[in-house]
Amino acid sequence: SAVISQKPSRDICQRGTSLTIQCQVDSQVTMMFWYRQQPGQSLTLIATANQGSEATYESGFVIDKFPISRPNLTFSTLTVSNMSPEDSSIYLCSTIGLPDVDTEAFFGQGTRLTVV
Amino acid sequence: GENVEQHPSTLSVQEGDSAVIKCTYSDSASNYFPWYKQELGKRPQLIIDIRSNVGEKKDQRIAVTLNKTAKHFSLHITETQPEDSAVYFCAAALFSGGYNKLIFGAGTRLAVHP
Repeated sequence: SAVISQKPSRDICQRGTSLTIQCQVDSQVTMMFWYRQQPGQSLTLIATANQGSEATYESGFVIDKFPISRPNLTFSTLTVSNMSPEDSSIYLCSTIGLPDVDTEAFFGQGTRLTVV
Repeated sequence: GENVEQHPSTLSVQEGDSAVIKCTYSDSASNYFPWYKQELGKRPQLIIDIRSNVGEKKDQRIAVTLNKTAKHFSLHITETQPEDSAVYFCAAALFSGGYNKLIFGAGTRLAVHP
């Protein structure tokens, strides 16, 4: 299993500013995933982060808005840039194992972001 | 890409009754189907999963069935208890680019009334 520590747990930010969310995993993992969960909604995948290469973004998400870093196999950051109230959401990081080895996905506790 | 549909969006049952949540997926290449429970303000937690080479899996009061031909899978909770009240998400994992990528359904809010 993997334990993911995510911070901050919540923040209130001014529009136009940026917030960086950090996730630390207690073991080395190949892939890390970033999700957005708007209030009462499902988890929408933002991007997939592989160590040593650029993140792969899903349709509707771009690197300029959500830059991601993955400097090593236990850590990743997601920045929400030039924030607007529409960015208010919960952001979660996650990791999942390789197929047929350990496919369970583990999640950080989430970052509740409010943009005012 | 993969698309996962989940029904119903809300489900209300009496304690002791059974609850069934259904999901369909679009990509026949998906081969891993987990179910997550999310309590208010908490992170999603895996409750049961099934792989494409298995038709049914049980874990105490929880079971999952998979119909690959129809591309649908279901979560069954028997003898429901108030602590089962939560939002449940199904997901399908598409093995793409060397790793599993989870795509989630919209979620089902289950309320179990004493």
